[in-house]
Amino acid sequence: EIVLTQSPGTLSLSPGERVTLSCRASQRVTNSYLAWYQQKPGQAPSLLIYGAFSRAAGIPDRFSGSGSGTDFTLTISRLEPEDFAVYYCQQYGNSPQTFGQGTKLELK
Amino acid sequence: QVQLQESGPGLVKPSQTLSLTCTVSGDSINSAAYYWSWIRQHPGGGLEWIGYIYYSGSTYYNPSLKSRVTISIDTSQNQFSLRLTSVTAADTAIYYCARVSVRGVFLFWGQGTRVTVSS
Repeated sequence: EIVLTQSPGTLSLSPGERVTLSCRASQRVTNSYLAWYQQKPGQAPSLLIYGAFSRAAGIPDRFSGSGSGTDFTLTISRLEPEDFAVYYCQQYGNSPQTFGQGTKLELK
Repeated sequence: QVQLQESGPGLVKPSQTLSLTCTVSGDSINSAAYYWSWIRQHPGGGLEWIGYIYYSGSTYYNPSLKSRVTISIDTSQNQFSLRLTSVTAADTAIYYCARVSVRGVFLFWGQGTRVTVSS
């Protein structure tokens, strides 16, 4: 199975900053079938990005995804207060689909 | 707007069977457009895909759980269910149901239900 490693584990940032989160796969992700989810405390994860770079419906354009092969990134161009959460990547190109361990964005 | 709601016991004894149901509203579960899935989140935060079911009844399970998992569907009730046998403390988690695209993207999630395995 593909292991996804996210880095860093935690980031302390301020609103307005730009941030890039990394997700590295142990093997090539077929067709760049890589998604990103946001999880706020006490809530279920919610879809942000699929297919490495396609935003889900209703997701603001400050969120962008990129990458291919084994290296993927999620960028938030300008952090809003509601963006402080945990972010997970997921690959669905190879069975079984797997998730990264998450990156937590916390308020500095 | 689709909504998914998990239900079932919050406490299960070791070696017993965990049974959960997901009730779907706002969409028909009898649709060729989606899969219906169970995922769990361990206390440390890690997410693990358990398996999914198609409206036809075809199932796909995570190999790590396959010997203990059964997912079933009841299109008349717009529900699908999870059975996990021979549970241990390692099965303590928040269990989510979700609607999944045919590619494997988790489009909508239920709010989750916490299950603790303890005597």
